[in-house]
Amino acid sequence: DIQMTQSPSSLSASVGDRVTITCRASQSIDSYSNWYQQKPGKAPKLLIYAASSLQSGVPSRFSGSGSGTDFTLTISSLQPEDFATYYCQQSYSNRTFGQGTKVEIK
Amino acid sequence: QVQLQESGPGLVKPSQTLSLTCTVSGGSITSGNYYWSWIRQPAGKGLEWIGRIYTSGRTNYNPSLKSRVTISVDTSKKQFSLKLSSVTAADTAVYYCAREYVWDTGAYYYYGLDVWGQGTTVTVSS
Repeated sequence: DIQMTQSPSSLSASVGDRVTITCRASQSIDSYSNWYQQKPGKAPKLLIYAASSLQSGVPSRFSGSGSGTDFTLTISSLQPEDFATYYCQQSYSNRTFGQGTKVEIK
Repeated sequence: QVQLQESGPGLVKPSQTLSLTCTVSGGSITSGNYYWSWIRQPAGKGLEWIGRIYTSGRTNYNPSLKSRVTISVDTSKKQFSLKLSSVTAADTAVYYCAREYVWDTGAYYYYGLDVWGQGTTVTVSS
């Protein structure tokens, strides 16, 4: 199985901050990584697919990068509605998610 | 706009079989660009992929659950279903159905869970 390890597990940030979340795969997954946002009591929402492609309707302050084993989700200027938990996922072989990163208000 | 809705019992006894159905509305279930997936999330924990099905009936399952999972599809009803046998308390979770979209770049296929149901809570308890 391919493991996805996210860091940090949580972070505190202020509105307007630049936020970066990383995800490392246990083996190369080329560009087969996705990022999701989940708010309490809600289903996850796809933000980024294929490592760096922005899903339709997602604000451009979200961006993704990386290939192989190391991937990054960046929020360029954190907005109040961005406080949530973020998950990476690999779609290279079966599917696995990272353990999540909770973005909290500082 | 495609919507997904999970349905099924909210309480299942240990050792019994959990059965859930996901109904697709507002769009096609037979398009070649989609797989239909199940994901679960125990309270306060992360997401676990259970498996997926293509409308041809081809399935892929999480290896850790494969011996207990069956996913099926009924295109005439625009539904797909999950059966998880021999459940224990560890199977208590919110269960989501989701559509996995396939992006064809010409050289590669990329996949992402782009439409989700609202989730349904299943508790395993006697």
